[in-house]
Amino acid sequence: KNEVEQSPQNLTAQEGEFITINCSYSVGISALHWLQQHPGGGIVSLFMLSSGKKKHGRLIATINIQEKHSSLHITASHPRDSAVYICAGNTGNQFYFGTGTSLTVIP
Amino acid sequence: GAVVSQHPSRVICKSGTSVKIECRSLDFQATTMFWYRQFPKQSLMLMATSNEGSKATYEQGVEKDKFLINHASLTLSTLTVTSAHPEDSSFYICSARVGQFNSPLHFGNGTRLTVT
Repeated sequence: KNEVEQSPQNLTAQEGEFITINCSYSVGISALHWLQQHPGGGIVSLFMLSSGKKKHGRLIATINIQEKHSSLHITASHPRDSAVYICAGNTGNQFYFGTGTSLTVIP
Repeated sequence: GAVVSQHPSRVICKSGTSVKIECRSLDFQATTMFWYRQFPKQSLMLMATSNEGSKATYEQGVEKDKFLINHASLTLSTLTVTSAHPEDSSFYICSARVGQFNSPLHFGNGTRLTVT
């Protein structure tokens, strides 16, 4: 069993839909990262959070430390949001990666 | 800000040769750099952590003599795949971090290595 589990693995949405990707972890971490990987392979760090909620444009990330759960929300989804979203927890230099959620937003 | 440049983006080499991949932080000094490997349709696998001026720390199962990491300055880390074999073909990606453990990561665009 992975230390970090993501759901769903694959997600197809219509443009404009509200999207939620979930991440649960079973290990102690000091921070949780949400990463976006585009088809070419490049990765962008979207959020790093250790508590509460962060918002950047149409993206919102939340974390519940007690429940060891984080969610990434995308409001008013757009085809350019199509990518693989990876959550990762870290403590020190130890990283635990989820297997990713492949999102496709259809126009 | 916080741009990480990784070079080359693609490389094809013959079996038995060595390939060097560079990871540079362009506008910041990276305390720590990380090297990952990614197989198709899979997530990132951390290979090693490198700190400037010290030996890299390798993850279990990663051969340090095969994947040589040098972090000679605060802006440059290199990964050399020595005596490459077709099974080393993969996507390699680096990330860099400013400061300590709970700092954001900044990723390079990755290197697609194909060994023929």
